[in-house]
Amino acid sequence: DIQMTQSPSSLSASVGDRVTITCRASQSISSYVNWYQQKPGRAPKLLIYAASTLQSGVPSRFSGSGSGTDFTLTISSLQPEDFATYYCQQSFRTPHTFGQGTKVESK
Amino acid sequence: EVQLLESGGGLVQPGGSLRLSCAASGFTFSNYAMSWVRQAPGKGLEWVSGISGSGGSTYYADSMKGRFTISRDSSRSTLYLQMNSLRAEDTAVYYCVKEGVAGFGVVTFDYWGQGTLVTVSS
Repeated sequence: DIQMTQSPSSLSASVGDRVTITCRASQSISSYVNWYQQKPGRAPKLLIYAASTLQSGVPSRFSGSGSGTDFTLTISSLQPEDFATYYCQQSFRTPHTFGQGTKVESK
Repeated sequence: EVQLLESGGGLVQPGGSLRLSCAASGFTFSNYAMSWVRQAPGKGLEWVSGISGSGGSTYYADSMKGRFTISRDSSRSTLYLQMNSLRAEDTAVYYCVKEGVAGFGVVTFDYWGQGTLVTVSS
């Protein structure tokens, strides 16, 4: 199975901060990475697919980059509604494994 | 509007069985692959199983092979997950997920149900 390792597991930030979350795959997966946001008690929501394509309706402050094994999710200016847990996922092959998650908390 | 409504969760004893259902609406069900994803309390997301739009191909995480069976009924626009030989570690919220296919064949999990809680305990 392809392992997805996210870092950090949690971070503290303030509104307006630039936030970066990284995800490393255990083997090359081209651009087959998706990013999801999950708020407490809610289902995950697709933010970015194919490493860098913004899902319809997602604010442009979210962006993704990377290919091969190293990927990044960036929030350019953190907003109050962005405090949540973020997961990367590979869709290169089944099982479609997820990273362990990064919790973004208020500083 | 795409809607996915899970049902069938509840409390079951270790070794028991449960069948989850997911009623889909708002899209042509048979055109899309579907998956189940679970989340243990306070833990991350774990892909459980997937099925092609036709139902002809199924996929499982290693820890579920031989115990879980995914199926679908296009006439009812319903996805199922039959879970047997349940263990305490299967306790989780189970989400029904619609798969989308973006450019270059990238699979996305673009719509999620609200989840149904399965608790395995004596």
